[in-house]
Amino acid sequence: GESVGLHLPTLSVQEGDNSIINCAYSNSASDYFIWYKQESGKGPQFIIDIRSNMDKRQGQRVTVLLNKTVKHLSLQIAATQPGDSAVYFCAEPTQDNDMRFGAGTRLTVKP
Amino acid sequence: DAGVTQSPTHLIKTRGQHVTLRCSPISGHKSVSWYQQVLGQGPQFIFQYYEKEERGRGNFPDRFSARQFPNYSSELNVNALLLGDSALYLCASSLVTGELFFGEGSRLTVL
Repeated sequence: GESVGLHLPTLSVQEGDNSIINCAYSNSASDYFIWYKQESGKGPQFIIDIRSNMDKRQGQRVTVLLNKTVKHLSLQIAATQPGDSAVYFCAEPTQDNDMRFGAGTRLTVKP
Repeated sequence: DAGVTQSPTHLIKTRGQHVTLRCSPISGHKSVSWYQQVLGQGPQFIFQYYEKEERGRGNFPDRFSARQFPNYSSELNVNALLLGDSALYLCASSLVTGELFFGEGSRLTVL
């Protein structure tokens, strides 16, 4: 079936470096994607979203890139801080009124 | 303003028992969704309710049921608990569709 998945389960970066978290999707008709951040003991929190009519969207220290040709999106975090340590999920809403999540990438920021 | 609140935060049950989880959405939000998150995985959609009616259902057995009350709060019920039901159960609210706001979840352990 259709899926949203992530390339790597874990990512470790040095504080101050940039982080890139990748996600692949299989449904070429997908037109809206969301990145969530889940800190330990908490529920997922919206970070940024992007629609398929865009290739790039920027927020505060975060950028999402969408490549529809290869069905791939990425989340870039600039100047990664210890507070960025969390599990990051890409997700897409479906026609069945649910949000389909990938498995997640655990980002660890080393001081 | 209060976010999405869930209760209880933690609970332990034994196989075959029944559990009720509760969720209060953000004030003004009329849609509530339930997700199951098994350790190491992304959230999996269980139900969505809007205006007290079920609007979506994930691939979960009939042991799982939910309802939404006139004040838009919601309950998730699970009967005949199995060991595999051990998970973090997340509730999310939204205005109608769009951005989901998650609670911190109810962690269920089935022994």
